[in-house]
Amino acid sequence: KQEVTQIPAALSVPEGENLVLNCSFTDSAIYNLQWFRQDPGKGLTSLLLIQSSQREQTSGRLNASLDKSSGRSTLYIAASQPGDSATYLCAVGPSGSARQLTFGSGTQLTVLP
Amino acid sequence: GAGVSQTPSNKVTEKGKYVELRCDPISGHTALYWYRQSLGQGPEFLIYFQGTGAADDSGLPNDRFFAVRPEGSVSTLKIQRTERGDSAVYLCASSPSSPGDEQFFGPGTRLTVL
Repeated sequence: KQEVTQIPAALSVPEGENLVLNCSFTDSAIYNLQWFRQDPGKGLTSLLLIQSSQREQTSGRLNASLDKSSGRSTLYIAASQPGDSATYLCAVGPSGSARQLTFGSGTQLTVLP
Repeated sequence: GAGVSQTPSNKVTEKGKYVELRCDPISGHTALYWYRQSLGQGPEFLIYFQGTGAADDSGLPNDRFFAVRPEGSVSTLKIQRTERGDSAVYLCASSPSSPGDEQFFGPGTRLTVL
């Protein structure tokens, strides 16, 4: 059974810092990996999708990398802003016929002004 | 274009009652997913539809939970004889069709069972 772990559970940084969020998964037989953002009391906003054949994806100040063989992904946020404060979730999609995502518990990020 | 919508946004019910939660996916998306999220946790998979049929319902916790998607668009998650442990946020997501497509989530329905 796939297990996804996100470390740290919470992170507080001053505005302007670059930061890295970590995600690890136990089964490397994945189809893709998706990073989401969740604001309090809200649904999930998709940030980046990395297919298993890719090593990284970039969108604006965000860069996500994937090392499938070691079961790791990182989300890099450059020049953090208070508006980046949210919970960040990673989720892996399995290979084979299954389609459901398996999520980590998230990293709660606070960017202090 | 409109995203995934879910109604109601909040539902409070009493133990033992029946509830229905509705999901309206992005137009044209053939795949639809239901997840459940407890406080402080990531979402957990419940059921996946491809078109009108339930392709995978392995995440449904027991037979009190049932979901339908009769016309391949709107889906309803039905919970019978609700229990306090059913309290959670129920999230719906949709994706275009192919394996590995990006999933887009709705705002969720917060269910509270008293």
